[in-house]
Amino acid sequence: DGGITQSPKYLFRKEGQNVTLSCEQNLNHDAMYWYRQDPGQGLRLIYYSQIVNDFQKGDIAEGYSVSREKKESFPLTVTSAQKNPTAFYLCASSTKTGFGTYEQYFGPGTRLTVT
Amino acid sequence: GNSVTQMEGPVTLSEEAFLTINCTYTATGYPSLFWYVQYPGEGLQLLLKATKADDKGSNKGFEATYRKETTSFHLEKGSVQVSDSAVYFCALSDRGRGSSASKIIFGSGTRLSIRP
Repeated sequence: DGGITQSPKYLFRKEGQNVTLSCEQNLNHDAMYWYRQDPGQGLRLIYYSQIVNDFQKGDIAEGYSVSREKKESFPLTVTSAQKNPTAFYLCASSTKTGFGTYEQYFGPGTRLTVT
Repeated sequence: GNSVTQMEGPVTLSEEAFLTINCTYTATGYPSLFWYVQYPGEGLQLLLKATKADDKGSNKGFEATYRKETTSFHLEKGSVQVSDSAVYFCALSDRGRGSSASKIIFGSGTRLSIRP
C-alpha cells in the first residue's frame, strides 16, 4: 500500500530542545516537501527537495533544517532557534506529470507542541 | 509570479444546498490545477485535478472546470452533505525549470460548514 507516513502523530517537547519529525514515502516520488500550518491558517512552505542530496529553502526556513540522504526519507528538524514551533507539520511528496507539472500527495501530519 | 486566490470563508450552507467555492489563478505558463480537501486533524487529500484548458475534474460529486479565458477553477457540488464539512484548498503547479519547478502554489483555504 503506497503512501506517505509521518510519525509520531503527536509530539511534545520542552522549549530549547531540538526535535526531528519523520517523513517516509514509498511512492517513488522524486520531490518532497515540508509545510507548516497554524490553527485556521493555510500552508506555509518550509523546505522542499527535488532530488536526493539537494534541497531548497521555502518561505519560512529560519529555525528549521532538513536532510535528503535517501529518496524515500525527508526528516525535518525543528531547532531551538525557531521562535514559535508549536504547529501542525505536513509532509508531502510529488511526481512529475506528463505535462511537466507536479502532482502532490500529503502525509497525515504531526502536531508538535512545545511548552 | 504565480498565485492562487480563493474566496474567503467560512462558508456555511444547509444540507442539500448547491456549493460554489471560487478560485482564480495567475500563472506565467500552462499550469495544472488542483482542489485539495482537509478534514479536521488530517493531512490534505487530492480531491480533483485538471491539466489543460477546458478539462473538467470530478470526484465524489465535486466538479471544477479549467477556464483559461477567466483564469478560474471554481469548485462546485450540486447537493452538499454534512460529511463535506472541511477546508478546501485550490492549488496550481506551473511548468518550469530549475530548483523551483516542483513548487506547488496553494490558496489560503476555504472552510466549509454544512448544517443538517
